[in-house]
Amino acid sequence: IAGITQAPTSQILAAGRRMTLRCTQDMRHNAMYWYRQDLGLGLRLIHYSNTAGTTGKGEVPDGYSVSRANTDDFPLTLASAVPSQTSVYFCASSLRAGGSTDTQYFGPGTRLTVL
Amino acid sequence: GQNIDQPTEMTATEGAIVQINCTYQTSGFNGLFWYQQHAGEAPTFLSYNVLDGLEEKGRFSSFLSRSKGYSYLLLKELQMKDSASYLCAALDSNYQLIWGAGTKLIIKP
Repeated sequence: IAGITQAPTSQILAAGRRMTLRCTQDMRHNAMYWYRQDLGLGLRLIHYSNTAGTTGKGEVPDGYSVSRANTDDFPLTLASAVPSQTSVYFCASSLRAGGSTDTQYFGPGTRLTVL
Repeated sequence: GQNIDQPTEMTATEGAIVQINCTYQTSGFNGLFWYQQHAGEAPTFLSYNVLDGLEEKGRFSSFLSRSKGYSYLLLKELQMKDSASYLCAALDSNYQLIWGAGTKLIIKP
């Protein structure tokens, strides 16, 4: 592994189903983030984690949950998917020491369609 | 509230120069980032400015004026591969990135 990986690459999901998007980084970054990107809108932060064992809510957390059991992994769960959660989801990480070291590096994204 | 404004779309000619502007309003300020995002791909880091002035990196330069809440990305000697969206993002006092919606740059031959 080099950088950040996400799985699956894409998924079509029936409304009401539970889904976990996976994210793994091997850069030993402290902070990790989940964003959604919708056409015409900027990246919107769903949840973040400044360090293993802690998580926080971003701009659009409703309907999503996260956990950070270790440094490398930051899964995002949709407990009961709804069509408005159709989006491209990006995971990112940063060293998290302030300033330029807050540069975020992104995974390749997961394209999720909820029908 | 916090806000980032940048043009939705710009068109330029191969070999020319283009300037993409960004204005920001944030609660506190810890720097400004520019990212490039090709269609269907992840954003990739281009530049970071925290002090006023111009930072040059090859064909790309980024400028910041903290007093005016303003930044621009300057792309010189445009190439077809520069066709992409350019995202402006400001780091607020809580070290959260506030993102603009992106500027889609179309390069014509």
